[in-house]
Amino acid sequence: EAQVTQNPRYLITVTGKKLTVTCSQNMNHEYMSWYRQDPGLGLRQIYYSMNVEVTDKGDVPEGYKVSRKEKRNFPLILESPSPNQTSLYFCAIGGASGSTDTQYFGPGTRLTVL
Amino acid sequence: GEDVEQSLFLSVREGDSSVINCTYTDSSSTYLYWYKQEPGAGLQLLTYIFSNMDMKQDQRLTVLLNKKDKHLSLRIADTQTGDSAIYFCAEVPGGYQKVTFGTGTKLQVIP
Repeated sequence: EAQVTQNPRYLITVTGKKLTVTCSQNMNHEYMSWYRQDPGLGLRQIYYSMNVEVTDKGDVPEGYKVSRKEKRNFPLILESPSPNQTSLYFCAIGGASGSTDTQYFGPGTRLTVL
Repeated sequence: GEDVEQSLFLSVREGDSSVINCTYTDSSSTYLYWYKQEPGAGLQLLTYIFSNMDMKQDQRLTVLLNKKDKHLSLRIADTQTGDSAIYFCAEVPGGYQKVTFGTGTKLQVIP
């Protein structure tokens, strides 16, 4: 069974304090992505990765970084979080363009930046 | 860029049919998806349709695609209280490697 793990699930932090949200998968999928979900805006893609060491910007990459040093992990890094990054974040695996692969979503990380 | 729009809210009575609508702008979309998000959970893929199809039926779910109007709909027959959730449509434009989601429609089923 596909499993996408995110940590932490909930985080309250302060402006400017660097944080990392981890994402790991057990499916050996090449394609991984990060989304943020905000009321009335749906899900917006932050970054995606086609494979190890291959990452690209999604629709809202500003203020975020990612890395893909190994296939199973795709951490999301906020170097200097700001209140407008308060959101619900989802990591997803699979579902690349032109594919009917099911896209599996992690359980979500609710981040509050004060 | 791509833009996918949905109405934000829909309320139906249990047993009635629900129709959730979605419009998209990228005419090169290859796949269009419907996802369901239950409270406190991630997104679950419900069904998808390839852009060369007009209709797809899967048990209580019927997906209709009007490519000319760039309009996608999801019909849920005999809607149950367990169908209460937020429903997202999503498109995968041709040649791109990212999925663009709609704003989500919150479906409320009244017993």
